[in-house]
Amino acid sequence: SAVISQKPSRDICQRGTSLTIQCQVDSQVTMMFWYRQQPGQSLTLIATANQGSEATYESGFVIDKFPISRPNLTFSTLTVSNMSPEDSSIYLCSVEEKASTTYEQYFGPGTRLTVT
Amino acid sequence: QKEVEQDPGPLSVPEGAIVSLNCTYSNSAFQYFMWYRQYSRKGPELLMYTYSSGNKEDGRFTAQVDKSSKYISLFIRDSQPSDSATYLCAMSAFLRTGANNLFFGTGTRLTVIP
Repeated sequence: SAVISQKPSRDICQRGTSLTIQCQVDSQVTMMFWYRQQPGQSLTLIATANQGSEATYESGFVIDKFPISRPNLTFSTLTVSNMSPEDSSIYLCSVEEKASTTYEQYFGPGTRLTVT
Repeated sequence: QKEVEQDPGPLSVPEGAIVSLNCTYSNSAFQYFMWYRQYSRKGPELLMYTYSSGNKEDGRFTAQVDKSSKYISLFIRDSQPSDSATYLCAMSAFLRTGANNLFFGTGTRLTVIP
């Protein structure tokens, strides 16, 4: 399976600032995904990032708040802009990989963000 | 009603016990079912993947799907302290899991006490 790394692993930020999270995959993948994981809630998909096109955002998430870059097939960034305490969460990137007869989704280790 | 319901626990069991983790769902179109294990301060890792109804066994882990009841289970035999983690169920109606096709439970936190 793909090996995914994220930077930073955690950060504490002040409200009103922005943080860019990096996701690196050890193989070329078409689709990368960004999720948010809040305590007691299901993993929530923020957006799908395809190389060479604009990211597709899910309901409740907008590009101005969560701009995404996908410059190549192994890398993506998610920026959390103008942060508020409500943005405190774990942010995860993931990729989809084809297994023998199925497609499986693998996750990075996550970025734990605390906004004060 | 949520697409996927999962008891958040927490669940504490003694070492060696059999653990049963469960999820229910409402969408009868789901046919691909997954269990992820997430250790503290780590990302979810894919543990089991099953298609349609039936059982799948992998070592001490057994995944069971009952589509007629819209109910899936993960059994852990001879549980070990290293099994202490949060277990997330996930499911999809489609072979491709991207583009918001994958629906997750909230996770059940399991602690296995030595």
